[in-house]
Amino acid sequence: AQSVSQHNHHVILSEAASLELGCNYSYGGTVNLFWYVQYPGQHLQLLLKYFSGDPLVKGIKGFEAEFIKSKFSFNLRKPSVQWSDTAEYFCAVLTGANNLFFGTGTRLTVIP
Amino acid sequence: KAGVTQTPRYLIKTRGQQVTLSCSPISGHRSVSWYQQTPGQGLQFLFEYFSETQRNKGNFPGRFSGRQFSNSRSEMNVSTLELGDSALYLCASSFSYNEQFFGPGTRLTVL
Repeated sequence: AQSVSQHNHHVILSEAASLELGCNYSYGGTVNLFWYVQYPGQHLQLLLKYFSGDPLVKGIKGFEAEFIKSKFSFNLRKPSVQWSDTAEYFCAVLTGANNLFFGTGTRLTVIP
Repeated sequence: KAGVTQTPRYLIKTRGQQVTLSCSPISGHRSVSWYQQTPGQGLQFLFEYFSETQRNKGNFPGRFSGRQFSNSRSEMNVSTLELGDSALYLCASSFSYNEQFFGPGTRLTVL
């Protein structure tokens, strides 16, 4: 069965630290990949997406993610986090059958 | 453009009851998807409607059903509520599969 794994459930960082959140998926066909973010008290919103082309995609607020097809991974990165990045981050995979699967989410807490 | 709206925002029900949640998509969006969000399970896909037809369905029991109206508004119904149905139910609308826009959710508590 298709699945999306986010191995880090809760990450705690100090401001200015670098961030990498892991995302792995199990689906052998063509996929489109997304990272969504949910700030406290706010709606889920799109952070970035990969459909094709350059496997390194840049999103809003300095976030980027790299699609590594051979590893079935789409890890999210940010070189220097801020307190305002405290949120829950969800990786999602859209399969060729147009089914969108989400990971269980990673809660990021940034300490000022 | 107004965003996705969901009503009610909070709901408390007891076991055995049934509940109907409503979602109004962004104007022009014809696809509406429903998700159940619980701690530890993340977002689990319930179903997707497009032009009043269910286009995709997740692995939820038949107690969970939905429909979409001609104006793209959608409702989700859960019958015979169980304690485990307590969750945040999210609705998302999209014009295409490029991006889904999420509503604030309906927090359902089953006692």
